[in-house]
Amino acid sequence: AQSVTQPDIHITVSEGASLELRCNYSYGATPYLFWYVQSPGQGLQLLLKYFSGDTLVQGIKGFEAEFKRSQSSFNLRKPSVHWSDAAEYFCAVGATSGTYKYIFGTGTRLKVLA
Amino acid sequence: GAGVSQTPSNKVTEKGKYVELRCDPISGHTALYWYRQSLGQGPEFLIYFQGTGAADDSGLPNDRFFAVRPEGSVSTLKIQRTERGDSAVYLCASSPHGAGGQDTQYFGPGTRLTVL
Repeated sequence: AQSVTQPDIHITVSEGASLELRCNYSYGATPYLFWYVQSPGQGLQLLLKYFSGDTLVQGIKGFEAEFKRSQSSFNLRKPSVHWSDAAEYFCAVGATSGTYKYIFGTGTRLKVLA
Repeated sequence: GAGVSQTPSNKVTEKGKYVELRCDPISGHTALYWYRQSLGQGPEFLIYFQGTGAADDSGLPNDRFFAVRPEGSVSTLKIQRTERGDSAVYLCASSPHGAGGQDTQYFGPGTRLTVL
């Protein structure tokens, strides 16, 4: 069965510091992978997605993520965090066949210190 | 253009009551999804529509939950005999084609349902 694990429930970083949010997935083949961000009272906003090809994908707001098949991971990174990045981040897997639902991780809440 | 909209933004009801939650997808999107997000959790899939038909309703927790999309646009999620455990944020998403996992889903702001 498909699953997504985000091992870190909370992460706190200082403004200007680098960030890496972890995501591991379980799937029988190479899945479609997504990172979404959710700010309080807001809907989920797509940051980036991976379908195939280059394993390093660039997204909005200066985020990037790297797909590593050998580690079943799709970690999200940002070189320098801004206070406005404080939010909850969700990794999701989309099936490559059959049902079209996404499977989400439980999320990582990011706090940014001034 | 306009994104996915959901009404109401908040709904408070009493145990045992019936509620309807509405979703207006992005114009022209053929696929529509409902998810439920409980406190401290990621969204969980409920049901997926391709056009007017429910292509996958495997996530509906029980027969108290039902959803329709009669004209292939607006969708309504209906919950009968609400229970306190139904309290959550209900998210709606739409995508242009529903063509497998490659089709990016665009989410609405959600409806926060509180069952007293």
